[in-house]
Amino acid sequence: KQEVTQIPAALSVPEGENLVLNCSFTDSAIYNLQWFRQDPGKGLTSLLLIQSSQREQTSGRLNASLDKSSGRSTLYIAASQPGDSATYLCAFLKAAGNKLTFGGGTRVLVKP
Amino acid sequence: DTGVSQDPRHKITKRGQNVTFRCDPISEHNRLYWYRQTLGQGPEFLTYFQNEAQLEKSRLLSDRFSAERPKGSFSTLEIQRTEQGDSAMYLCASSQGRGSGGASRNEQFFGPGTRLTVL
Repeated sequence: KQEVTQIPAALSVPEGENLVLNCSFTDSAIYNLQWFRQDPGKGLTSLLLIQSSQREQTSGRLNASLDKSSGRSTLYIAASQPGDSATYLCAFLKAAGNKLTFGGGTRVLVKP
Repeated sequence: DTGVSQDPRHKITKRGQNVTFRCDPISEHNRLYWYRQTLGQGPEFLTYFQNEAQLEKSRLLSDRFSAERPKGSFSTLEIQRTEQGDSAMYLCASSQGRGSGGASRNEQFFGPGTRLTVL
């Protein structure tokens, strides 16, 4: 049973378009949820962290929302740029745990 | 650079050989994690240390795998008698514990990873 699902698996948009990336999770007892960016062959870069008590977090062109009751988080990237091309992963930390549980990621391509 | 570092970045080995990877966490972080990522998948948890104590191990961590954090600083992950199925990216992360220093969010920061290829 998939604990974290990211849809779509891949996304291609023209430069300037807003990106909407979805993350669904089955466990509502979360401590926090993180969004990461991963470039090919590289490690993970933390983009945003939302605590369970928060509804959203913003950093520059990025905004992430969290709805625990529906088990969903959404990452919005405004005015996409070719440099935003990467794989975006969401992961949650359980309230009583120590490990992050990851989705499979959404691979994004922003065309110039 | 004060981020998480890993060494080596790439390792190619023959089946049956032993390999060892090293991770240096962010200096003030007391928690250290190892994850494994195969192509096209999200990372999967392997093991977790708080200071020098290994507090959690995944079922993925077979008896061929061993991890240590002897002084609560750097950590090593050893794979004995490597198999082709061990080929993956091995990621290390670190964090401050929950509640430490006031408002810790237990945000995990990842290193660049070690890419293992077993021939």
